[in-house]
Amino acid sequence: DAGVTQSPTHLIKTRGQQVTLRCSPKSGHDTVSWYQQALGQGPQFIFQYYEEEERQRGNFPDRFSGHQFPNYSSELNVNALLLGDSALYLCASSTGTTDTQYFGPGTRLTVL
Amino acid sequence: QKEVEQDPGPLSVPEGAIVSLNCTYSNSAFQYFMWYRQYSRKGPELLMYTYSSGNKEDGRFTAQVDKSSKYISLFIRDSQPSDSATYLCATGSGGSNYKLTFGKGTLLTVNP
Repeated sequence: DAGVTQSPTHLIKTRGQQVTLRCSPKSGHDTVSWYQQALGQGPQFIFQYYEEEERQRGNFPDRFSGHQFPNYSSELNVNALLLGDSALYLCASSTGTTDTQYFGPGTRLTVL
Repeated sequence: QKEVEQDPGPLSVPEGAIVSLNCTYSNSAFQYFMWYRQYSRKGPELLMYTYSSGNKEDGRFTAQVDKSSKYISLFIRDSQPSDSATYLCATGSGGSNYKLTFGKGTLLTVNP
């Protein structure tokens, strides 16, 4: 049973560029949440997608946007990258009716 | 005041020791509580899930929640070098609030 998968593993971008990160949820899960984890910090909630809609958003600017596809996979897009966007981006999957979230391995984004 | 406070450590113990990890939280709306283990440069792995107050045991791990004092704990018995990781506490409110709120994590090293 495949767990949560994310791609790419690592990414290096320069300030001002745009990036797209991808996530496939655990089999049987229909809900995807995205978190940002800065070095030495706990994950911070960005947003959650369910039924192809964003149903909750954390305190992140509009530069952060997402999408969920009919197969429940999801993308996180970040525009106009800043140095402070350098972090581990984590995807977590769950079902629409449960609280338990399972995390993928993350994508490490470095902005130069 | 952060919603979830966790002593970042680091914590270093000898193999076989009992480890106690703790978090406090400020939001009375939090209803469920989780502990995740995160190895270096990996995604968080769910260890324990507890709903409301009480204890839950799984092998060498015991999670405790005291909602009256807003205090959550994870105990690890007979600690092993493979337990060396960062331990993150997380809380959630449930209902229509789907996000998890994390502590900063405690870095644990178990020495052989």
